[in-house]
Amino acid sequence: EAQVTQNPRYLITVTGKKLTVTCSQNMNHEYMSWYRQDPGLGLRQIYYSMNVEVTDKGDVPEGYKVSRKEKRNFPLILESPSPNQTSLYFCASSGQVDLGAEQFFGPGTRLTVL
Amino acid sequence: AQSVTQLGSHVSVSEGALVLLRCNYSSSVPPYLFWYVQYPNQGLQLLLKYTTGATLVKGINGFEAEFKKSETSFHLTKPSAHMSDAAEYFCAVSDTGGGNKLTFGTGTQLKVEL
Repeated sequence: EAQVTQNPRYLITVTGKKLTVTCSQNMNHEYMSWYRQDPGLGLRQIYYSMNVEVTDKGDVPEGYKVSRKEKRNFPLILESPSPNQTSLYFCASSGQVDLGAEQFFGPGTRLTVL
Repeated sequence: AQSVTQLGSHVSVSEGALVLLRCNYSSSVPPYLFWYVQYPNQGLQLLLKYTTGATLVKGINGFEAEFKKSETSFHLTKPSAHMSDAAEYFCAVSDTGGGNKLTFGTGTQLKVEL
């Protein structure tokens, strides 16, 4: 089944404790991105990747890192999480890097930073 | 930069009634427009999209949307609501910024009542 998977689905952590949220897709997609969803703000892009070893900042990159060493994986790293990073995170992928291409979303990771 | 405005963060309809969810966009170039649906505890799923061509776009689950350039609108409709349509709906526009970024509206929670 074609899908985007994220792990963990739920995470409660404390301020400053490094964490990684994994994202994997099995569709051989070139484009992957991370969004965060906050009430009243919709989804905002954090980082994106056009292909292996090619990443760039989205609208809200502060406090986050990413890497793209393999085509299928695009982990999101929070080196020193803070409470304002409490949010619902979505990974997405697309087979085409053009403006009209559909993006496929993972199930989401709900992160709470205490 | 592109932007999306969804009027009404919460919409309530009776089962069998017309569903109308409003979306207005701002774009400096011809837009590519999307509607996504998010069911509780799930990721986003594409309902429909407009890229070029016919301005009335049909999607899954009986939904459709009409692109009106003169009104900069892309409202989502369904003639007869079903209980299973209860979800959050997001309008999005492809951004001309880096990569394949989607700029989302703040979402509309649809409630369907008996």
